[in-house]
Amino acid sequence: SAVISQKPSRDICQRGTSLTIQCQVDSQVTMMFWYRQQPGQSLTLIATANQGSEATYESGFVIDKFPISRPNLTFSTLTVSNMSPEDSSIYLCSVGDRRADTQYFGPGTRLTVL
Amino acid sequence: AQSVTQLDSQVPVFEEAPVELRCNYSSSVSVYLFWYVQYPNQGLQLLLKYLSGSTLVESINGFEAEFNKSQTSFHLRKPSVHISDTAEYFCAVSDQDQAGTALIFGKGTTLSVSS
Repeated sequence: SAVISQKPSRDICQRGTSLTIQCQVDSQVTMMFWYRQQPGQSLTLIATANQGSEATYESGFVIDKFPISRPNLTFSTLTVSNMSPEDSSIYLCSVGDRRADTQYFGPGTRLTVL
Repeated sequence: AQSVTQLDSQVPVFEEAPVELRCNYSSSVSVYLFWYVQYPNQGLQLLLKYLSGSTLVESINGFEAEFNKSQTSFHLRKPSVHISDTAEYFCAVSDQDQAGTALIFGKGTTLSVSS
């Protein structure tokens, strides 16, 4: 299975600021995803990070609020823009490989917005 | 559209008792099914998965799940739980024809094991 790291592991931010979360994988992967886990809730898909093209966003999520980059097959970033307390969540990246038919998750970034 | 229903939000049990965490899904296509576990203050870990073949799948720590296509269920069971099994358990589904794509998660079941 792929080894996935995320930075930062946690952060406390002020309202109105932005935070960029990094996701690094130890091998090339086809699919990368970003999920959000709000307090006490399940995981909700934000978007699919596409290598070399714009991310594909799920309903309720927009590029202006959650810009995503994926410059290569091992790295992606998610930015949470103009943050409000409602953005306080755990943000997780995951990777999927068609050959493995399974998805693996990073350790998550715990974000608190004051 | 696919959806996953975890019928119990919280399951309290005593140590060494059996447990079943229920999961039902709805989908118009063939699916892959997964159980993930999240221990307190930790990330999400894959517990077990059903892709094809035998409908009964097992994990290394004694959990098992059975895929029942007619009932569209994938319930997780363990005959004797330990305190260390206390965690949040998530059932998830993905489209079999698009393997490795995004997962749809249930709302999770909190398993609390006490002595």
